[in-house]
Amino acid sequence: EVQLVESGGVVVQPGGSLRLSCAASGFTFDDYTMHWVRQPPGKGLEWVSLISWDGSSTYYADSVKGRFTISRDNSKNSLYLQMNSLRTEDTALYYCAKDVAFDIWGQGTMVTVSS
Amino acid sequence: SSELTQDPAVSVALGQTVRITCQGDSLRSYYARWYQQKPGQAPVLVIYGKNNRPSGIPDRFSGSSSGNTASLTITGAQAEDEADYYCNSRDSSGNRWVFGGGTKLTVL
Repeated sequence: EVQLVESGGVVVQPGGSLRLSCAASGFTFDDYTMHWVRQPPGKGLEWVSLISWDGSSTYYADSVKGRFTISRDNSKNSLYLQMNSLRTEDTALYYCAKDVAFDIWGQGTMVTVSS
Repeated sequence: SSELTQDPAVSVALGQTVRITCQGDSLRSYYARWYQQKPGQAPVLVIYGKNNRPSGIPDRFSGSSSGNTASLTITGAQAEDEADYYCNSRDSSGNRWVFGGGTKLTVL
C-alpha cells in the first residue's frame, strides 16, 4: 500500500524551531518529487515547498522562504521540513504529498505556534 | 499573477450537473489538477492533466480548460460528492505551485 506518514508536529513558541518528518512506503521514493503543503485551521490549502527526486532542486513559497528548509534522505525513504523563526501564522496542519501531481497525501501533522 | 481564483461556494441538486471553475494566468500554460477534501480528511486527487482520473475516481468527474479557466464538472452529483474542491497548478515561473482558495460544494 502506498502510504505517507507525517510526524513531528507540536506546540511551539513564536521564534522557535521544529523539524517535521514524512515516512514513505509502498513506492520507489527516490523516483519522485515530493511536496509539503499546509492548511491553517478552517482555511484552504497552501503549497509550501518541493524537492526534486535527488534533492538537487528545492523551491519555496514566498511566505516561508529563508525560514524553512526542505530535505530528503532517500536511503531512509524520508522527507523533512526544518522550520525556523516560526510565526503564529505558520500554525497549520502540514501534509506531505507525492509527485508533481500531488497524487498521494499523508494525514498531516499539526503545528501550533503560540505563546 | 500566481493566483488561482475559485468561487467560495456552489450548490447542486442531487443527480444534477455542477461545474466548479478555477481562474488564473498560469492556466494558460499549465493544466490544473483538482482535489476533493472531505471534513477531517486529507485531499484526494480527482482530475489531472487534460482530463484524467486516477484509479478509483468515478467517471462522473471530468475536467476541461479554456484560456485562463479550468473547470471540474460532476455529472449526476451524489450526496458523497459534498466536499471542498481545490484546484492547483504550477505558477508562472514553472517551479513553484499554487492552490486556489477552494470551493465548498453542497449537494441539496
